[in-house]
Amino acid sequence: KAGVTQTPRYLIKTRGQQVTLSCSPISGHRSVSWYQQTPGQGLQFLFEYFSETQRNKGNFPGRFSGRQFSNSRSEMNVSTLELGDSALYLCASSTALQGGNYGYTFGSGTRLTVV
Amino acid sequence: QKEVEQDPGPLSVPEGAIVSLNCTYSNSAFQYFMWYRQYSRKGPELLMYTYSSGNKEDGRFTAQVDKSSKYISLFIRDSQPSDSATYLCAMSARGSGGSYIPTFGRGTSLIVHP
Repeated sequence: KAGVTQTPRYLIKTRGQQVTLSCSPISGHRSVSWYQQTPGQGLQFLFEYFSETQRNKGNFPGRFSGRQFSNSRSEMNVSTLELGDSALYLCASSTALQGGNYGYTFGSGTRLTVV
Repeated sequence: QKEVEQDPGPLSVPEGAIVSLNCTYSNSAFQYFMWYRQYSRKGPELLMYTYSSGNKEDGRFTAQVDKSSKYISLFIRDSQPSDSATYLCAMSARGSGGSYIPTFGRGTSLIVHP
């Protein structure tokens, strides 16, 4: 059974550019969440999607956006990149209708470096 | 004060030791409690989850939740060098959208030396 797949694994972007990250959840998982992980702040929740609808959103600026497709695959976009956006971006999926109460399965993440 | 507090360590123990990892929290609405393990350059991996207070055991791992004290623990018996990783606690309450969104501690780095 394939796990959560995130592409690309590594990315280097210049300040001011935009970036799109992709996530394919485990087959059958309809809840997809995104987290940002940094050494200083740890894992911080970005947003959660279920059946193509954003159900919850964390405290990030509007430069961070996402979407989910009918096959549950998800993308997140960061516009006007800042140096502080350098982080590991993790996608997680869950089979639970209620989201993450029984735990997530995480992908290996996309390491974004903004220079 | 963060909602979930976790000592970042590092915690260094000899092989075979019993390891105790802990988190405290402030949000009494948390209902589900989880522990994840994260190896370098990998995403977190779910170890255990518990609903409300009590103990749960899985092999060498035991999770404890004390809601009255807002304190959770993970015990690892007979620790192995392969247990060396960062351990993250997480706990969830129902969000405004109706689903449960885990809030994570910052993780404790564990080093088990032979």
